[in-house]
Amino acid sequence: GESVGLHLPTLSVQEGDNSIINCAYSNSASDYFIWYKQESGKGPQFIIDIRSNMDKRQGQRVTVLLNKTVKHLSLQIAATQPGDSAVYFCAENDDRDDKIIFGKGTRLHILP
Amino acid sequence: DTGVSQDPRHKITKRGQNVTFRCDPISEHNRLYWYRQTLGQGPEFLTYFQNEAQLEKSRLLSDRFSAERPKGSFSTLEIQRTEQGDSAMYLCASSSIGEGFTEAFFGQGTRLTVV
Repeated sequence: GESVGLHLPTLSVQEGDNSIINCAYSNSASDYFIWYKQESGKGPQFIIDIRSNMDKRQGQRVTVLLNKTVKHLSLQIAATQPGDSAVYFCAENDDRDDKIIFGKGTRLHILP
Repeated sequence: DTGVSQDPRHKITKRGQNVTFRCDPISEHNRLYWYRQTLGQGPEFLTYFQNEAQLEKSRLLSDRFSAERPKGSFSTLEIQRTEQGDSAMYLCASSSIGEGFTEAFFGQGTRLTVV
């Protein structure tokens, strides 16, 4: 079902600090999770993904953590930069279904 | 640039008119998705294709909406008799199905305004 959501609509972070964006999901069958970044007027941009057989995955300045016990997903952005300002969506997919379900998004503001 | 292109980028139409949008996916991708996004919301799934076969349609997709992918490459989304509620960003994404789901890459979208 439509099960993916985010805890906070807006997050403000000082430039240079680390950002943590959280996401809760309710579909236990979901086995693939993705974080997308969307800047104003543009389509969602893939950031990082993780499969349910993992609990952590790292990319360049980003880390995704998955806690299947509490159905929680987070995106950590290290040393946040002005270019990180955007709306961030978590999304999920389960292997019974081939569509990606998006949550409502968190807007990340970078403070100078 | 993700490699997924959509045309047009913007469309303004009068209520009751028909509109058609085009999506060109990444060439080796066999999956193609259409989503709709309204202001402040996440993208909502509309339909998807594997090659030329349309495999699923959302309940959001009324009879006025039709999508095609005739040769398994580009896709079109047509909205007939547009209504003001159809105003939204229409997003296309493509992916390649291998062992399980793989990341979907989105185009820049077509912003539709119905006046």
